[in-house]
Amino acid sequence: AQTVTQSQPEMSVQEAETVTLSCTYDTSESDYYLFWYKQPPSRQMILVIRQEAYKQQNATENRFSVNFQKAAKSFSLKISDSQLGDAAMYFCAYRSSNSGYALNFGKGTSLLVTP
Amino acid sequence: DTGVSQNPRHKITKRGQNVTFRCDPISEHNRLYWYRQTLGQGPEFLTYFQNEAQLEKSRLLSDRFSAERPKGSFSTLEIQRTEQGDSAMYLCASSFSQYNEQFFGPGTRLTVL
Repeated sequence: AQTVTQSQPEMSVQEAETVTLSCTYDTSESDYYLFWYKQPPSRQMILVIRQEAYKQQNATENRFSVNFQKAAKSFSLKISDSQLGDAAMYFCAYRSSNSGYALNFGKGTSLLVTP
Repeated sequence: DTGVSQNPRHKITKRGQNVTFRCDPISEHNRLYWYRQTLGQGPEFLTYFQNEAQLEKSRLLSDRFSAERPKGSFSTLEIQRTEQGDSAMYLCASSFSQYNEQFFGPGTRLTVL
């Protein structure tokens, strides 16, 4: 079974600064997908960014980018120019491309953005 | 609003009672997923449907839990003889296919007293 580990329960960043959230995973598969989801307080989870394992290029979505290191099984999220609205729980998730297609989530990192 | 909707948003029940939650996916999404999220944890997969067929159930889905998706539209998740350990947020998600993004609903928060 695949496991997803987020070793930072909480992170803090000042507005306009950059922060990196860490995620590692364990799998024996070669083809899979990785995701970062954002869950604001009392609001529903939304997709921030996704990465296909077969792609070497790191995904980027506006201020959000990832550092995908397949050999190291590492998938970190970088948030640039942090905004107050970025405050939320961030979940790293793994999805097999072979079966199930259910998401396997880490425990999450709570991001606090200070003015 | 054309997103995933879930009802009720909150449910408080006494131990031993049965509860049923409903999820309405985004129109034309043929995949529907149920997850459970306890405090301080990430969501954990329970089960998923492709159209009306329930294709996979996790070991978390004990025999007290049953899910249906009649006609491949909305889905219901029933918990019989609730226990305090069932207290959690129950999340529903839908996707157009297994390759597409899963869109989540706001969840149903269950409290078992």
